[in-house]
Amino acid sequence: DTAVSQTPKYLVTQMGNDKSIKCEQNLGHDTMYWYKQDSKKFLKIMFSYNNKELIINETVPNRFSPKSPDKAHLNLHINSLELGDSAVYFCASSQRASNTEAFFGQGTRLTVV
Amino acid sequence: GNSVTQMEGPVTLSEEAFLTINCTYTATGYPSLFWYVQYPGEGLQLLLKATKADDKGSNKGFEATYRKETTSFHLEKGSVQVSDSAVYFCALTAYNQGGKLIFGQGTELSVKP
Repeated sequence: DTAVSQTPKYLVTQMGNDKSIKCEQNLGHDTMYWYKQDSKKFLKIMFSYNNKELIINETVPNRFSPKSPDKAHLNLHINSLELGDSAVYFCASSQRASNTEAFFGQGTRLTVV
Repeated sequence: GNSVTQMEGPVTLSEEAFLTINCTYTATGYPSLFWYVQYPGEGLQLLLKATKADDKGSNKGFEATYRKETTSFHLEKGSVQVSDSAVYFCALTAYNQGGKLIFGQGTELSVKP
């Protein structure tokens, strides 16, 4: 049973397209996150949701829109994809939104051509 | 602001060598500290954690001690194996930050037989 699962694992698309990445966690956690890992492997938070409410939005372009239909799901929709959006996107979850470890999905490698 | 600094890689060791990966942090208050590991092509896995000063986290032969006086959380292992080859990330979360993990830049470890 995968704790945090995200789909797809790989995504290759053309500039200008719109795409979505889905994430689900079966850990019963209250908080979910999206992180971006760049080509140098640096990880930075993009968004965080606690009980379906957005609590962190870290200076991410408006083309990125997260949606949390319920506590167990957090999806990421990206409009008008650009070359610079190519990265690995990780979904994660934690029991609460404070001072605790997060559990990560396998990542989605997005390549924009 | 809060930040994490790790020693630069890549680090190349022979099997059974001693490993140290340095990590220092800057944070207000009392952060929780973590080491995550990323094996090739995979997501991040929590390796160990420490939530207060002088705590020692340990797992799979790895250990790290939360040193408040030197603001450090160095990762050590007495005898590395080829299977330990991966990228290691030091990270922190701070109180009232919505559970956001702040990562160091990652240290790539390569263990040769």
